[in-house]
Amino acid sequence: GAGVSQTPSNKVTEKGKYVELRCDPISGHTALYWYRQSLGQGPEFLIYFQGTGAADDSGLPNDRFFAVRPEGSVSTLKIQRTERGDSAVYLCASSLTGEEGYTFGSGTRLTVV
Amino acid sequence: RKEVEQDPGPFNVPEGATVAFNCTYSNSASQSFFWYRQDCRKEPKLLMSVYSSGNEDGRFTAQLNRASQYISLLIRDSKLSDSATYLCVVNWSGGSYIPTFGRGTILIVHP
Repeated sequence: GAGVSQTPSNKVTEKGKYVELRCDPISGHTALYWYRQSLGQGPEFLIYFQGTGAADDSGLPNDRFFAVRPEGSVSTLKIQRTERGDSAVYLCASSLTGEEGYTFGSGTRLTVV
Repeated sequence: RKEVEQDPGPFNVPEGATVAFNCTYSNSASQSFFWYRQDCRKEPKLLMSVYSSGNEDGRFTAQLNRASQYISLLIRDSKLSDSATYLCVVNWSGGSYIPTFGRGTILIVHP
């Protein structure tokens, strides 16, 4: 596609529920990154994919968070047993090589109530 | 110590002023550097890459000081539309490029 697409744009869920956030990167971009951003903070790294594999998942806060990218394009971030502290904007970015910068999607605003 | 540090501001400047932001980073192996702009409730957008020799794009000038491990952004002749948060991004290769963001510096340009 022309840009990075994230769905849904907003998600309100109850504490304890499971959520999936989707990212469709720019066509041909092999590198895909997930971040989350809280108010007043910069984006915090979660996980990086190079193709289908998770090249670095060191930013995932705990085992409730998991992400996949089975065909090397669309990625899904999965959060189990959501907690109120998971509320944030979840951003996805893609890149061709990483050296030319990163293009972000408009994010998913997750609110856990 | 955070890996990428920025003064959060806000920087309040009048239209037409020149303003500069610095960003320090802790990993000396860092190889790529960028400035991003983020408007309220929007996603970050690439403003410019930062090259070792320094680079300019219109009213914006970016510089890198590897010895002191900081990058800078200079904005000349500030416009109202420059009001935003400016995010510093540093990445390094330890087998992969992991872009690390500072918390951002808020700029407010007033009439």
